[in-house]
Amino acid sequence: EVQLVESGGDLVQPGGSLRLSCAASGFTFGIFWMNWVRQAPGKGLEWVASIEQGGSEIHYVDSVKGRFTISRDNAKNSLYLQMYSLRAEDTAVYYCARSGGRGYVNYWGQGTLVTVSS
Amino acid sequence: DIQMTQSPSTLSASVGDRVTITCRASQSISYWLAWYQQKPGKAPKLLIYKASSLESGVPSRFSGSGSGTEFTLTISSLQPDDFATYYCQQYNSHPLTFGGGTKVEI
Repeated sequence: EVQLVESGGDLVQPGGSLRLSCAASGFTFGIFWMNWVRQAPGKGLEWVASIEQGGSEIHYVDSVKGRFTISRDNAKNSLYLQMYSLRAEDTAVYYCARSGGRGYVNYWGQGTLVTVSS
Repeated sequence: DIQMTQSPSTLSASVGDRVTITCRASQSISYWLAWYQQKPGKAPKLLIYKASSLESGVPSRFSGSGSGTEFTLTISSLQPDDFATYYCQQYNSHPLTFGGGTKVEI
């Protein structure tokens, strides 16, 4: 059974940093693109970042470029999102998500809440 | 960036109704479109990919159609479990983008 379990969400002050982790199991992690998708409270879904199987091709939404870094450790079956210079508008549930093919998501984690507030 | 526009934003329907949700892309995305269902407090669930391919385990009352810039998600006979919010997503090019969502309510 495919499982994606996020951790690391917390309350952080504006300008602060946070690292999210996603532990994957039930599939061969290293052969799939992985993503982070977020959802602000009461709002829609927003794709944040994607990383290809080997980690050499990475994409970000413009609003997080230069502040967030997606990475993966295939030996540990883990996905990460390092977040710097956090803003109030980064407040959201962050989902770890596995791509099924070209770029859609066929498996989602349960999400981890990041709250940026003073 | 490719903008995805869903309509309507809210849809009132009854059990047994045929429901259609539309998604428009700001430029052609071929058939690189997915549909998701999300219930409150839960992660989204993939329903349709490649515009019309039904994800394994998804009931056949869900169907997708379209190509280029116009797409539709149809629920042939709405069931109680289908009251939720639906999102389209294009994956023709990065940045990947979602539509604003359609809430299907009673």
